[in-house]
Amino acid sequence: EVQLLESGGGLVHPGGSLRLSCAASGFTFSTYAMNWVRQAPGKGLEWVSGISFGGDDTFYADSVKGRFTISRDNSKNTLHLQMSSLRVEDTAVYYCAKYIDGGVDLDYWGQGTLVTVSS
Amino acid sequence: QFALTQPPSVSGSPGQSVTISCTGTSSDVVTYNRVSWYQQPPGTSPKLMIYAVSNRPSGVPDRFSGSKSGNTASLTISGLQAEDEADYYCSSYTSTRRVFGGGTKLIVL
Repeated sequence: EVQLLESGGGLVHPGGSLRLSCAASGFTFSTYAMNWVRQAPGKGLEWVSGISFGGDDTFYADSVKGRFTISRDNSKNTLHLQMSSLRVEDTAVYYCAKYIDGGVDLDYWGQGTLVTVSS
Repeated sequence: QFALTQPPSVSGSPGQSVTISCTGTSSDVVTYNRVSWYQQPPGTSPKLMIYAVSNRPSGVPDRFSGSKSGNTASLTISGLQAEDEADYYCSSYTSTRRVFGGGTKLIVL
């Protein structure tokens, strides 16, 4: 059974940093590209970042480019999102999600971890 | 705001059919046959319902179908059931990013 378990969320002041993790199991993690998607309270979904299966290629939404860094450790089946220079508008539930077999749509999502940026 | 445009809400009675539209541009929906739809009941994580425009993942009822014409993709739910009440999001993949619609609340009357 595919499982994605996010962790690392919490309360942080504006300008602060936080590192999110996503522990994957139930599939061959090293063969799938992965993504982070966030959802502000009461709002819609926003794609944040993606990374290729080997980690060589990374992609970012304009809203986080230069502040967030996506990475992965295939030896530990773990995806990370390093967030710095956090803003109030980064407050959201952050989900990790994997690509469907042979495609680029997101077939499994974690339960999410809440990041609150507030003074 | 959101790159893809969806109606804020749609409604229908049990047994009826509803269609949710998703309008994009030549940068996403028109060019890429990579439109997907996600269902999100309150307090839950999104669930993939349709991928690559019109394909259903295993376990998704065939009451759910997807299509695309030009810059507009559509999700049709036939034989509405109370459990279908949720927020629905469309998404399109491009070569460098993914975009989502603002979401549509489906109300089952």
